[in-house]
Amino acid sequence: EAQVTQNPRYLITVTGKKLTVTCSQNMNHEYMSWYRQDPGLGLRQIYYSMNVEVTDKGDVPEGYKVSRKEKRNFPLILESPSPNQTSLYFCASSITPFSGGAINEQFFGPGTRLTVL
Amino acid sequence: GIQVEQSPPDLILQEGANSTLRCNFSDSVNNLQWFHQNPWGQLINLFYIPSGTKQNGRLSATTVATERYSLLYISSSQTTDSGVYFCAGGGSGGSNYKLTFGKGTLLTVNP
Repeated sequence: EAQVTQNPRYLITVTGKKLTVTCSQNMNHEYMSWYRQDPGLGLRQIYYSMNVEVTDKGDVPEGYKVSRKEKRNFPLILESPSPNQTSLYFCASSITPFSGGAINEQFFGPGTRLTVL
Repeated sequence: GIQVEQSPPDLILQEGANSTLRCNFSDSVNNLQWFHQNPWGQLINLFYIPSGTKQNGRLSATTVATERYSLLYISSSQTTDSGVYFCAGGGSGGSNYKLTFGKGTLLTVNP
C-alpha cells in the first residue's frame, strides 16, 4: 500500500530534550516536506527536500533540522525543543518531474502531535 | 512571500446544499492544490490544479491563474464533507518548491 508513515504519532517531552520524528514513504517520491499546523495559522512549511542530500528552508525553519540521506526517509530533528514548538506535525511527499518542474500532488502522513512542556 | 487568502473562513450547510470556496493568491502561483482535512485530522489531496477545471464526483475545481484565484465547488453536500478545506500554492523561480497554505475554510454539513 502506498503510504507516508510518521513516528511517533504522539509525543510529550520536556524543554531541551533532543528528539527526532521519523518520516518514510514507499512511493519512490523525490520531494518530501515537513509542515506544522497550529490553530488559526493553518499549515506552515518547515523544510523541504527535492532529492537525496538536497534540502531547503520553508517558511518556519527556526529550531528544526532535517536530513535526507536516503530517498525514502526524511527525519525532522528538534535539537532543543521549546514549548512554542508544541504543534501537530505533518510529513508529505510527492513525485517531481526529472525536469525540475513543479511539485505535484502531495501525499500526507497521519501526523505527529508533539507537546513540549 | 506569497499570501494565500481563503474565503469564507467558516461555512455551515444543510445536507444536499451546494457551496463554493474561494482561494486568492497575492502573486502568480504554481502547484496549486486543494486539500481536505477530515475531523480526525487526516489530510487528503483533492485536486492538483495549476490551471483549468477538474471534476471528481461531486467536487470540482477551477483555477484562473491569470487572475490569481481558484474555486472549489461542492455539490449535493454530505455530512462526510465536513472538515477543513485548504488551498496551497508555490511561487515561481527559486521559490517554486515551497508550498504556502491558506488558513482554511471550516465546513460543517448538518443532516
